[in-house]
Amino acid sequence: ELKVEQNPLFLSMQEGKNYTIYCNYSTTSDRLYWYRQDPGKSLESLFVLLSNGAVKQEGRLMASLDTKARLSTLHITAAVHDLSATYFCAVDHSGGGADGLTFGKGTHLIIQP
Amino acid sequence: NAGVMQNPRHLVRRRGQEARLRCSPMKGHSHVYWYRQLPEEGLKFMVYLQKENIIDESGMPKERFSAEFPKEGPSILRIQQVVRGDSAAYFCASSSIQTGYGEQFFGPGTRLTVL
Repeated sequence: ELKVEQNPLFLSMQEGKNYTIYCNYSTTSDRLYWYRQDPGKSLESLFVLLSNGAVKQEGRLMASLDTKARLSTLHITAAVHDLSATYFCAVDHSGGGADGLTFGKGTHLIIQP
Repeated sequence: NAGVMQNPRHLVRRRGQEARLRCSPMKGHSHVYWYRQLPEEGLKFMVYLQKENIIDESGMPKERFSAEFPKEGPSILRIQQVVRGDSAAYFCASSSIQTGYGEQFFGPGTRLTVL
């Protein structure tokens, strides 16, 4: 059974600081997804990481994938309040796309002024 | 291009009633997925469908739950004889294999409350 673990599950940080969220998964997969969810809202796709060594950046967020270590990271640079949300990583069951996703439990991120 | 549409957005049912949740995928998408999210939890995969076919239902409870994606019309997730434990947010996602990497786009969700 595929397992996806995120840590930390809760993170409170100050504006302007840097931090990293970690996502480990238990079986081979070359596809990893990061989503953002605001309270009471749906999921917004942030990044799709397709291969070992993939790195993608959007604004203050940068995601990377190491398929050998089965690890992805989501790095936040100089955090701002608007980034407060829950962040999920997800891995597809087969690793080949077009399959159901297994999600981590999410990281609840609170950024304080 | 409209996104994934779900209705109703909120649904209240009494124990023992039936709940029907609808999902219209993005235009051009032929793959539909249903997920359930309990409070303070991540999403749990339930079922993956293509038109008129269930591809993977490994996450569906064995009883009371069913899903379909007919040739015409939206995908339907049906829950019979609902119980309080069915209270959750149910999200539908769609994808197109033509994108090459199967990125899933999520609808706004249906929040089911069982009294």
